[in-house]
Amino acid sequence: DAKTTQPPSMDCAEGRAANLPCNHSTISGNEYVYWYRQIHSQGPQYIIHGLKNNETNEMASLIITEDRKSSTLILPHATLRDTAVYYCIVRVRIQGAQKLVFGQGTRLTINP
Amino acid sequence: GAVVSQHPSRVICKSGTSVKIECRSLDFQATTMFWYRQFPKQSLMLMATSNEGSKATYEQGVEKDKFLINHASLTLSTLTVTSAHPEDSSFYICSARDILNTEAFFGQGTRLTVV
Repeated sequence: DAKTTQPPSMDCAEGRAANLPCNHSTISGNEYVYWYRQIHSQGPQYIIHGLKNNETNEMASLIITEDRKSSTLILPHATLRDTAVYYCIVRVRIQGAQKLVFGQGTRLTINP
Repeated sequence: GAVVSQHPSRVICKSGTSVKIECRSLDFQATTMFWYRQFPKQSLMLMATSNEGSKATYEQGVEKDKFLINHASLTLSTLTVTSAHPEDSSFYICSARDILNTEAFFGQGTRLTVV
């Protein structure tokens, strides 16, 4: 089972920063936090991942708390095309295979 | 990023027939591929892990004789839904991870409708 907790839904105004929280209080020291998003009827799209340091790429920023028990995905200037379900995933290792197990995610709606 | 291609994107089949879905990694070699199923308004559910050259590992509750997985090369995995029934209608998604075991990339999904 996924070991993350996310709010089921959020709204954000177009052009503003969207901040999506994720709790992962049982994360282990060598587990990464990954973020994916799924636009309706498409496969998930990789956004960003991190271990302990904050990360930034062309899509988003990832802020991980010092105790690593929670993180926040930041979309700095949200557009209507950012409307999607956002999944925060802790990468687990089971039986030697690293699976991505999806929780329910956060349905982010960007409003004009 | 790396590209994973799934085919077909949509398929409609009659009850009792079998349907094959292909998942290809176009610009990298994938030692491991994963198959997911997603019902409307629900999250992705992992069905099985497919390793090149060996048998797939199925998640609990997934019938291996109904969902046949073949991973014959480093760029191709197939999922065959055998004796399909209307309750098998779903969105099937594959993902692939390259040999360096970095992040996984997903196909665009296959919407299966069994009538």
